[in-house]
Amino acid sequence: NAGVTQTPKFQVLKTGQSMTLQCAQDMNHEYMSWYRQDPGMGLRLIHYSVGAGITDQGEVPNGYNVSRSTTEDFPLRLLSAAPSQTSVYFCASSVYRGSEAFFGQGTRLTVV
Amino acid sequence: DAKTTQPPSMDCAEGRAANLPCNHSTISGNEYVYWYRQIHSQGPQYIIHGLKNNETNEMASLIITEDRKSSTLILPHATLRDTAVYYCIVRVDNQGGKLIFGQGTELSVKP
Repeated sequence: NAGVTQTPKFQVLKTGQSMTLQCAQDMNHEYMSWYRQDPGMGLRLIHYSVGAGITDQGEVPNGYNVSRSTTEDFPLRLLSAAPSQTSVYFCASSVYRGSEAFFGQGTRLTVV
Repeated sequence: DAKTTQPPSMDCAEGRAANLPCNHSTISGNEYVYWYRQIHSQGPQYIIHGLKNNETNEMASLIITEDRKSSTLILPHATLRDTAVYYCIVRVDNQGGKLIFGQGTELSVKP
């Protein structure tokens, strides 16, 4: 079972570049979310989705866009990368009313 | 969601029980207490959750006080592999995976 798969694992961007972080899950979970984690800090919620076609903002949504066209995929887009977006990004999924969220292994992004 | 307060760090001897406290004095009646841990910058891992009764699974036990204002996660026989940051999270159960993380407790298990 693959679980939650994030790609790429590492990425270096120049300021102003755009990119998409990919997240896919094969557990048919309705709920998916994106977090970022800065050094020495806990995770902060960026965006989340309760099902295909439905997304909402979390704690720190500025600078990021998301879409949910399928149940399996929940990509995170950086339209114009900034050094402040240097972080580790985690994607998670769960059953909507479930007790356990499953996390991917993270994407380590550096913006120079 | 109610806020939680955890000590920033704790040490535990290998083979001994690790007791990690969490205060959540503003918890509401429909909010659950969840525990996750994060080992060395990997993705967080679910441990256990509960509403008001004590809970136990293969990983840990969760003790919630009668007034629900605090709880304790117990790792009965800590190993070196339990060294991690432990997060206590309070949320309404039907929020699915919407988790608001605090700073957590960094547990160091020492030989």
